[in-house]
Amino acid sequence: ENQVEHSPHFLGPQQGDVASMSCTYSVSRFNNLQWYRQNTGMGPKHLLSMYSAGYEKQKGRLNATLLKNGSSLYITAVQPEDSATYFCAASSNTGKLIFGQGTTLQVKP
Amino acid sequence: DGGITQSPKYLFRKEGQNVTLSCEQNLNHDAMYWYRQDPGQGLRLIYYSQIVNDFQKGDIAEGYSVSREKKESFPLTVTSAQKNPTAFYLCASSMRGGYNQPQHFGDGTRLSIL
Repeated sequence: ENQVEHSPHFLGPQQGDVASMSCTYSVSRFNNLQWYRQNTGMGPKHLLSMYSAGYEKQKGRLNATLLKNGSSLYITAVQPEDSATYFCAASSNTGKLIFGQGTTLQVKP
Repeated sequence: DGGITQSPKYLFRKEGQNVTLSCEQNLNHDAMYWYRQDPGQGLRLIYYSQIVNDFQKGDIAEGYSVSREKKESFPLTVTSAQKNPTAFYLCASSMRGGYNQPQHFGDGTRLSIL
């Protein structure tokens, strides 16, 4: 069964800290891994995509790494506006994205 | 600005009633998707369409129906056969060959049972 699991489910860092989250996936015909951010009551927004194990990507204060069957996402110097739920989604060649349940980040000012 | 518009933002359904959720995009994307999100959960795929006049069932299609008569429109009907329809519904689109393309989401429709 295709599935994606997140760890932890909730993060509550202080402003200025580094937030660290990860996901593991089990997906047949894996193509790429994508990270999304969702603010409450809105649709998810795509952050970045990664294609092969060992791939690293930096986008502003976001740093992501694709591992074998997993991914880690770091947000440096977190700010209150970073508070959101972050989803990892594994893409298969069938055209589907499989989402995990997400990590909720709430930054304390 | 290009984007995806979902309407209405909030919708209430009576028992035994079918309701239709609207999704329109002006991104010129070929592929469109419908997801359901329950509180504290990830997104589950209901239906997807890679091209006009064609669509496939996702993981939880029972009790739902769709049509794709125009490239820019992908309405979702929640039928009375869907016994637990209360959820947040999200529509998305992507360029053709969607599995390696990011998906662009609307801001959702929240459906509740009266």
